[in-house]
Amino acid sequence: EVQLVESGGGLVQPGESLRLSCAASGFTFTDASMTWVRQAPGKGLEWVGRIKRPSDGGTPDYASFVRGRFTISRDDLTNMLYLQMNSLKTEDTAVYYCGGYGIDYWGQGTLVTVSS
Amino acid sequence: EIVLTQSPDFQSVTPKEKVTLTCRASQNIGIDLHWYQQKPDQSPRLLIKYTSQSFSGVPSRFSGSGSGTDFTLTINSLEAEDAATYYCHQSISVPQTFGQGTKLEIK
Repeated sequence: EVQLVESGGGLVQPGESLRLSCAASGFTFTDASMTWVRQAPGKGLEWVGRIKRPSDGGTPDYASFVRGRFTISRDDLTNMLYLQMNSLKTEDTAVYYCGGYGIDYWGQGTLVTVSS
Repeated sequence: EIVLTQSPDFQSVTPKEKVTLTCRASQNIGIDLHWYQQKPDQSPRLLIKYTSQSFSGVPSRFSGSGSGTDFTLTINSLEAEDAATYYCHQSISVPQTFGQGTKLEIK
């Protein structure tokens, strides 16, 4: 069974940093591109970025609103996906979901609140 | 950036009714269009991938069609458990994008 478990969310102040993690299991991690999607309270889904599988280069792509502030990485030895978020803004407040195989599979999400 | 526009934003329907939701892309996306269902306080769930491929475990009453810029998600014989918000998503180009969602209410 595919499982994606996000962690690392919490309350931070504007300008601070946070690193989200996603633990993947139940599938061959290196076969999958992995994605981050977020959802602000009461709003729709927003694509944050994805990282390709190693055989496709393992490179990340980002939404325009996060480029330069967020970094997606993966550890193919430990089946972990990461989202490093710097210079956080109040508008980054959202539930952040990890997606596997593109976004065929979703985690339960982790809430990030950016507030002073 | 490819913009996906879903219609309607909200629809109220009765059980056993047939429902058609639409998603229009701002440019040709071939068949790289996917549909998700999100119930309140739950993670989204993939229903249909690449326009018409049903995902594992999805009831057969859900089907998708279209190509290019116009796509539809059809729910045959609606059930009470289908009350949710439905999103389309394109993966043909970066940044990938979602539609704004269609909220389906069951009367």
